[in-house]
Amino acid sequence: GEDVEQSLFLSVREGDSSVINCTYTDSSSTYLYWYKQEPGAGLQLLTYIFSNMDMKQDQRLTVLLNKKDKHLSLRIADTQTGDSAIYFCADRSGNTPLVFGKGTRLSVIA
Amino acid sequence: EPEVTQTPSHQVTQMGQEVILRCVPISNHLYFYWYRQILGQKVEFLVSFYNNEISEKSEIFDDQFSVERPDGSNFTLKIRSTKLEDSAMYFCASSEPSGGATGANVLTFGAGSRLTVL
Repeated sequence: GEDVEQSLFLSVREGDSSVINCTYTDSSSTYLYWYKQEPGAGLQLLTYIFSNMDMKQDQRLTVLLNKKDKHLSLRIADTQTGDSAIYFCADRSGNTPLVFGKGTRLSVIA
Repeated sequence: EPEVTQTPSHQVTQMGQEVILRCVPISNHLYFYWYRQILGQKVEFLVSFYNNEISEKSEIFDDQFSVERPDGSNFTLKIRSTKLEDSAMYFCASSEPSGGATGANVLTFGAGSRLTVL
């Protein structure tokens, strides 16, 4: 079945950029998503990208999609301590359910 | 901003007991979902529900699981006879009809219900 893989941990200094990477296997993915989970909270949608795009920017967030390599990344510019959370990559093909990765725990060091 | 609410936030139960997890989806959403996350594992799809019936379910969603929309606002997940391996965080989600304005079918998730089976 489809699979989504992410590295489990990332640590950055406050003010630096964070880049969280994700790979997926489903070649027919239509949308790819980034969700954020803060402690004690649910999964909050950060952004998504349609599979025919290769980049999307939304304020401090930049999503890059390399469809050939099935690689998705989320760049957070000027990372703040409030960005510390778990970030989930997810993909969807047609009307199939979202397939999530294990999540990347981002730690921001002041 | 509208949100999905889930209760209880944490439930501890004995193996073999029945558990009902409750969710109140966003009021104008028509698609409802349950996902779960075992500690350290991926967020896994359990079931989707539309028009008062299950539209899709995963292999995890066996005969021990059931879902119901008992009234116009609640969406419940029942585990008939809990097992140790059912211990997980259970997330409810809902989405707009037909993928919403963008077609992206964005799911809005609740904060989760942590189930601990002893």
